[in-house]
Amino acid sequence: QSALTQPPSASGSPGQSVTISCTGTSSDVGGYNFVSWYQHHPGKAPKLMIYEVFKRPSGVPDRFSGSKSGNTASLTVSGLQAEDEADYYCSSYAAGDNFVFGTGTKVTVL
Amino acid sequence: QVQLQESGPGLVKPSQTLSLTCTVSGGSISSGSYYWNWIRQPAGKGLEWIGRIYTNGNTNYNPSLRSRVTISIDTSKNHFSLNLNSVTAADTAVFYCARGQWPNKFDPWGQGTLVTVSS
Repeated sequence: QSALTQPPSASGSPGQSVTISCTGTSSDVGGYNFVSWYQHHPGKAPKLMIYEVFKRPSGVPDRFSGSKSGNTASLTVSGLQAEDEADYYCSSYAAGDNFVFGTGTKVTVL
Repeated sequence: QVQLQESGPGLVKPSQTLSLTCTVSGGSISSGSYYWNWIRQPAGKGLEWIGRIYTNGNTNYNPSLRSRVTISIDTSKNHFSLNLNSVTAADTAVFYCARGQWPNKFDPWGQGTLVTVSS
């Protein structure tokens, strides 16, 4: 299985929005509504931000939202804040009963 | 709340077996409908799912690593373990353990432990 494709970087000024794409195939992203997103500050434990494409765990601000169209899922961070600067990874359930992660996107708050 | 902590040698020689343990605290590894995962991140690269184990011992592995990976669980000690054999420098990575819940909610994660493969 191949890693899901994400842009290496994305950026925005405080208060703006940034959208990160996550492209897979019909055997993973396109085949199941089982996409999750993780925020990772280097040196810390990754944190679940979105699951099942668009659901937010309790405690995650509603500035974070998820969606999916075909083989591509997206994470949007609205009202960017300094603490949103981090690496973001998508993950999808994949055929064969396993999981695949994205290549990761570094979000910079300008 | 539940916390996970990885432990094990930080240096492994090429061709040997990498062994790590993830200790679960703040809750029983046997409670709830969870599965327990190993995930790694080579330096400068993205995350890679290694495999998972359920409390009944059932496992699933990343196809690319299946021939070299074994994940086991010891519910009496509230921990689960990873063995990766025949390691090479390409296996050098930060290794994370994480609790999983259907379908693919990995939460929480451990802090991660760096394992370097070098002679």
